[in-house]
Amino acid sequence: GENVEQHPSTLSVQEGDSAVIKCTYSDSASNYFPWYKQELGKRPQLIIDIRSNVGEKKDQRIAVTLNKTAKHFSLHITETQPEDSAVYFCAAPLNTGFQKLVFGTGTRLLVSP
Amino acid sequence: TAGITQAPTSQILAAGRSMTLRCTQDMRHNAMYWYRQDLGLGLRLIHYSNTAGTTGKGEVPDGYSVSRANTDDFPLTLASAVPSQTSVYFCASSATGNGGYTFGSGTRLTVV
Repeated sequence: GENVEQHPSTLSVQEGDSAVIKCTYSDSASNYFPWYKQELGKRPQLIIDIRSNVGEKKDQRIAVTLNKTAKHFSLHITETQPEDSAVYFCAAPLNTGFQKLVFGTGTRLLVSP
Repeated sequence: TAGITQAPTSQILAAGRSMTLRCTQDMRHNAMYWYRQDLGLGLRLIHYSNTAGTTGKGEVPDGYSVSRANTDDFPLTLASAVPSQTSVYFCASSATGNGGYTFGSGTRLTVV
């Protein structure tokens, strides 16, 4: 089965700085890597995902990079804003496919004005 | 508004009692899931269902059971609750071939 490790557990940045969160996975057959954002007291929401056939995907200020050889993927947030403060989770499939996700333990991002 | 609904929002339950957490979606998603969220442990998969009539075990299935009689509903049952089942429970769904989950708003369960 899949094992996903996420670092760091907490990250504090100043508004306008960049933030990077990294995850490693164990199953080389994994082919789908989403990132979720969870604000305090709210449900997790998908913010970006990447399939294994590409190395990078961008959506405005957020991007995800994938290194299949090293089995790690990262979330990059540029020009951070206070509203980016939340817990971010990475995930990978329990088995090959897009479903039955195994989540990392989360990164609490705090963006200070 | 289309989406996924969980009930109750929160519950305090005496140890040894049974309880069913309800989850209903109206997006016609084939796959549904139950996760528990505990501080420092992230989201852990309890049970899942790829399609109506089928279910499977996730990472932490012990003490829980599920059923999937139709596409829309995926209830989670605790037969005899224990304090270690105190957690926030999230139901989620996804369309076949699309990994993007839609999560419910969660049920906060306290077993005393």
